[in-house]
Amino acid sequence: DAMVIQNPRYQVTQFGKPVTLSCSQTLNHNVMYWYQQKSSQAPKLLFHYYDKDFNNEADTPDNFQSRRPNTSFCFLDIRSPGLGDAAMYLCATSRDMGRPEEKLFFGSGTQLSVL
Amino acid sequence: GQNIDQPTEMTATEGAIVQINCTYQTSGFNGLFWYQQHAGEAPTFLSYNVLDGLEEKGRFSSFLSRSKGYSYLLLKELQMKDSASYLCAVFYNQGGKLIFGQGTELSVKP
Repeated sequence: DAMVIQNPRYQVTQFGKPVTLSCSQTLNHNVMYWYQQKSSQAPKLLFHYYDKDFNNEADTPDNFQSRRPNTSFCFLDIRSPGLGDAAMYLCATSRDMGRPEEKLFFGSGTQLSVL
Repeated sequence: GQNIDQPTEMTATEGAIVQINCTYQTSGFNGLFWYQQHAGEAPTFLSYNVLDGLEEKGRFSSFLSRSKGYSYLLLKELQMKDSASYLCAVFYNQGGKLIFGQGTELSVKP
């Protein structure tokens, strides 16, 4: 059974039209992450939540926001998608943070296309 | 910086052995992961090394040398389904985050 679930698998949006990607987890993990991965590139961390505490990466554009209404759900909001935001968006969880043995569990990703 | 370097792509033959190398900056190092990622899918965990030496797990083994800032992933008895991208990721103390390399695209041919 999938433990980190992302919906939808494929998302198409228009240039400038807000879009929300969702992620849910059944692991009861404290930490939820959002990564952006462009073709043939490394996954790039956008931000993470440790419980309710939001932590933004310094180079994450303001266009990207996140919400975590409860332990199980986390959302990625792109306020005004540009063509350069087309990518695979990966949600991941870990039980804790700061301990390297706490490996990440990834969802299947949402492939975002911007027309 | 925390540059993580791995070859962009490799090709190998079914049944053979392939070694995928990864080098990283050693300052603040606190563990290294290998993930497998098939096209259009999420990365899946393969191995974790924090001490020097070889960790073996079935057909896959991973090696770490902390002093050299070097790791490799060894895949034996290659199968067609092993065609995927292999991501090296390093856990750094600063920020307690996992930093990924760009991945090595492995093509296994008959």
